Amino acid sequence: GQQVMQIPQYQHVQEGEDFTTYCNSSTTLSNIQWYKQRPGGHPVFLIQLVKSGEVKKQKRLTFQFGEAKKNSSLHITATQTTDVGTYFCAGRTGGGSNYKLTFGKGTLLTVNP
Amino acid sequence: EAGVAQSPRYKIIEKRQSVAFWCNPISGHATLYWYQQILGQGPKLLIQFQNNGVVDDSQLPKDRFSAERLKGVDSTLKIQPAKLEDSAVYLCASSEGTAIEKLFFGSGTQLSVL
Repeated sequence: GQQVMQIPQYQHVQEGEDFTTYCNSSTTLSNIQWYKQRPGGHPVFLIQLVKSGEVKKQKRLTFQFGEAKKNSSLHITATQTTDVGTYFCAGRTGGGSNYKLTFGKGTLLTVNP
Repeated sequence: EAGVAQSPRYKIIEKRQSVAFWCNPISGHATLYWYQQILGQGPKLLIQFQNNGVVDDSQLPKDRFSAERLKGVDSTLKIQPAKLEDSAVYLCASSEGTAIEKLFFGSGTQLSVL
């Protein structure tokens, strides 16, 4: 079955440092979504990438979708303590109502103030 | 708008007992999902409904888990009998059923099986 792998599993940074998490799929994806889960909370949608090579920015967050639509990355510039949480990618395969959305295991980001 | 409602928030049971979780999705959302999230892992899809029909239940342990979505609105997930390895957070999510398929998650039910 489809597998979505994320690295690293954990990342601890000093406030102000950059952070990147990588996501790789065993199969070509229709699109990829990113979610953030704060400690004790539930996943919250951040963004969806659809096109090959797509790059999207949200303030200090930059999301990329690979040319082959099998990998993606999330980069945070100048981390803040509010960035703490687990970042999940979720890869979608299939189309219409017959699709699968598979989550990676996530990258837990901790930020030292 | 109101979010996805789930209850109970916490549940502690002994192994071999049964338990049920309830979810009310965002009004008008056609698609409803139940995910299992074990500590330190990503959400794992158990079952996906489109209105009141099942789209995907390939990872649902059907010998002990069951789910229904009567009238295409709220849903219940049941475990009978529970095992120790069922300890996890059970997340319900819903989406509009459009191309973007942005998932809105509820706060989840934290289940502890002793």
